[in-house]
Amino acid sequence: KNEVEQSPQNLTAQEGEFITINCSYSVGISALHWLQQHPGGGIVSLFMLSSGKKKHGRLIATINIQEKHSSLHITASHPRDSAVYICAVAKGRQFYFGTGTSLTVIP
Amino acid sequence: KAGVTQTPRYLIKTRGQQVTLSCSPISGHRSVSWYQQTPGQGLQFLFEYFSETQRNKGNFPGRFSGRQFSNSRSEMNVSTLELGDSALYLCASSLADNNEQFFGPGTRLTVL
Repeated sequence: KNEVEQSPQNLTAQEGEFITINCSYSVGISALHWLQQHPGGGIVSLFMLSSGKKKHGRLIATINIQEKHSSLHITASHPRDSAVYICAVAKGRQFYFGTGTSLTVIP
Repeated sequence: KAGVTQTPRYLIKTRGQQVTLSCSPISGHRSVSWYQQTPGQGLQFLFEYFSETQRNKGNFPGRFSGRQFSNSRSEMNVSTLELGDSALYLCASSLADNNEQFFGPGTRLTVL
């Protein structure tokens, strides 16, 4: 069983739609990260959360520590949001990764 | 401030050879972590260094090793390469524990 489960695996949306990607984890964590990976491999860290909610532009990330669950929301999605979104949890100094959600936003 | 750099960006090796990959963290960052990404396994943690000491290691065979220098630059080495070692190898640096990680562009290794 994976320590981190993401859903959905693949997501196609029309430009402008509200998007939600979910992440559930089974280990006690010190922090949760949301990462974005564009074709070609480059990874960008979007958020690091240990509680509550963070917002950056059109992106919102929430975490519920008691339920061991986090969501990444994208409001007013745009084709440039097309990427793989990866949830990663930090347990001490070790990271566990979800398998990623591949998002395609169609103009 | 310059980002995390990795060299080389692309590498082709044959089975049985060894390879060394290099990572230069963001200036001031003392923690460097290495990850392997493959289509089948996704991202997996290899190891983490802080102040020249390996503090944590993922579930990889001993053929995978690394080190960190006094200037925080890090290298990872894979000996006796296998076809399954073909992957994107990413390093990331951070200021300290549980801080945001900044990823490098990766080194794409192909083993023939």
